Amino acid sequence: SQKIEQNSEALNIQEGKTATLTCNYTNYSPAYLQWYRQDPGRGPVFLLLIRENEKEKRKERLKVTFDTTLKQSLFHITASQPADSATYLCALTEAAGNKLTFGGGTRVLVKP
Amino acid sequence: DTEVTQTPKHLVMGMTNKKSLKCEQHMGHRAMYWYKQKAKKPPELMFVYSYEKLSINESVPSRFSPECPNSSLLNLHLHALQPEDSALYLCASSQNRGTNEKLFFGSGTQLSVL
Repeated sequence: SQKIEQNSEALNIQEGKTATLTCNYTNYSPAYLQWYRQDPGRGPVFLLLIRENEKEKRKERLKVTFDTTLKQSLFHITASQPADSATYLCALTEAAGNKLTFGGGTRVLVKP
Repeated sequence: DTEVTQTPKHLVMGMTNKKSLKCEQHMGHRAMYWYKQKAKKPPELMFVYSYEKLSINESVPSRFSPECPNSSLLNLHLHALQPEDSALYLCASSQNRGTNEKLFFGSGTQLSVL
């Protein structure tokens, strides 16, 4: 069966450090992968999109990598700040379909 | 304007009630979506509209009835819901039809069914 797995345990990190989140998938052939941020009681907010032929994407303090051989994406927040505290969701769309499916999300807590 | 506006923000309804959720965007997006999110779970796709036509229905029960009156508006009509339908209902839009790239989400309607 198809699965998108993110670490369900919260990630506690000290301000200024780099947070690294993992998204693993099975039985998917994603055309691209997206990362969203979600705050409690709010809708997800788009952060980054990386395509299957791209290895790495950056946006300000955010970096995402995509390894289709390992079937894994890593999401990095460098120089983390308390304002980065939120749940981060990865999401996949397959080339053959047009449905966006989300992973379970990882909660990040940045402590001052 | 890069917002997706959803109303109401909160809704409490009985199992025999009929209510509607509304969603509006003025970004010129031609794809609009309804997602359902239970507490501590990821959003789950319910419906997709492309160019005001229903393109995906994820086997959603008929007590949920979507409607897209025009390219800026999306409604979700609710009738005879069950308590397990209580959840955050999220509307989203995207520029490109069918590609699901860069979805803009509203803040959602928190629905409680008594």
